[in-house]
Amino acid sequence: SAVISQKPSRDICQRGTSLTIQCQVDSQVTMMFWYRQQPGQSLTLIATANQGSEATYESGFVIDKFPISRPNLTFSTLTVSNMSPEDSSIYLCSVGQETNYGYTFGSGTRLTVV
Amino acid sequence: SQQGEEDPQALSIQEGENATMNCSYKTSINNLQWYRQNSGRGLVHLILIRSNEREKHSGRLRVTLDTSKKSSSLLITASRAADTASYFCATDKGGYQKVTFGTGTKLQVIP
Repeated sequence: SAVISQKPSRDICQRGTSLTIQCQVDSQVTMMFWYRQQPGQSLTLIATANQGSEATYESGFVIDKFPISRPNLTFSTLTVSNMSPEDSSIYLCSVGQETNYGYTFGSGTRLTVV
Repeated sequence: SQQGEEDPQALSIQEGENATMNCSYKTSINNLQWYRQNSGRGLVHLILIRSNEREKHSGRLRVTLDTSKKSSSLLITASRAADTASYFCATDKGGYQKVTFGTGTKLQVIP
């Protein structure tokens, strides 16, 4: 299965600033997914990123707040823009060539906004 | 909203005992998966069961699926302290469809 390198692993940011999270995959994958996990909660899908097309956002998430890039089949970034304390969460990327075989997750980025 | 609801929300057992977690979901699925998460880190895929399967084993893990009741269970036998983690069920509709996660069960195994 694919191996994902996610950076940074954690960060403490000032409100109003932006943070870009990177995910690098060791193989080419069609779909990449970005999730948010608020403290003590389950995972919520933010968006699905396809190479060469705009990301598809889930209800409650917008491109201006969470812009995503997918320049090639091995890399994606998620930016958390104009941060507020409510954005404090773990953000995870995930890949899966075909759901029948399960998904691989990055190690997560623990974001704290102060 | 979450697709799956899991119970119990938290479970504390002694090492060596079995742990059972249940997951219920609302709509039809293609696959149901179970994941483990240690201390808020990345998720590890444990096992996947297809909608036409009823039971699956992997080492100390046993998963059952009842599509008529829209429910699944994960059994961990002979638990170890290292099994302490949060466990999530996740459902999908196959192909490249997104995966939707349940609410999770926090398992503590006491040495």
